Amino acid sequence: GNSVTQMEGPVTLSEEAFLTINCTYTATGYPSLFWYVQYPGEGLQLLLKATKADDKGSNKGFEATYRKETTSFHLEKGSVQVSDSAVYFCALSESGGFKTIFGAGTRLFVKA
Amino acid sequence: NAGVTQTPKFQVLKTGQSMTLQCAQDMNHNSMYWYRQDPGMGLRLIYYSASEGTTDKGEVPNGYNVSRLNKREFSLRLESAAPSQTSVYFCASRARAPDTEAFFGQGTRLTVV
Repeated sequence: GNSVTQMEGPVTLSEEAFLTINCTYTATGYPSLFWYVQYPGEGLQLLLKATKADDKGSNKGFEATYRKETTSFHLEKGSVQVSDSAVYFCALSESGGFKTIFGAGTRLFVKA
Repeated sequence: NAGVTQTPKFQVLKTGQSMTLQCAQDMNHNSMYWYRQDPGMGLRLIYYSASEGTTDKGEVPNGYNVSRLNKREFSLRLESAAPSQTSVYFCASRARAPDTEAFFGQGTRLTVV
């Protein structure tokens, strides 16, 4: 079945450091790919998405590129802030289906 | 904008008790979902409803039932709660197209003692 694997956390960085959170997927067809963010005590909210191969999603300084050849959708940010501390989820929506499947989540701590 | 509204936010149950988690969305979405979130496990799909009048099992449906009451509302019922059902539950909704984002409620933190 379809699945999403993302790097385990927690990830601890100093402010202004470079961030990468790895995400790979297994899916049939051409899924849409997403990154969601969850702040403490809240539900998930969309951070960015990409719907076809080689698309780059971006938002709030975060970027991720849909790589079909490596089945990856790694999240990057050039300079993290304390306010980026949260849990990040990689997800896919099945092409032609109704389900959104999530990875296990990666907790990010950013120190001042 | 209300978006997705879940009730209650917190609940403590005794083993064997029953309860229903309520979810409503005001975005005219066709599809609705119930997930549970456990440490280290991410979000696991319990049940979903692709459209009004249909429901399907997700990854972890055992011990749960759902009702898609109308297009707006999708409830999750625990008939006989067990400690293994201690979790945070999220309701979500999405438009039909798979490239659209899911919108989440604030979550229900359930403890079964």
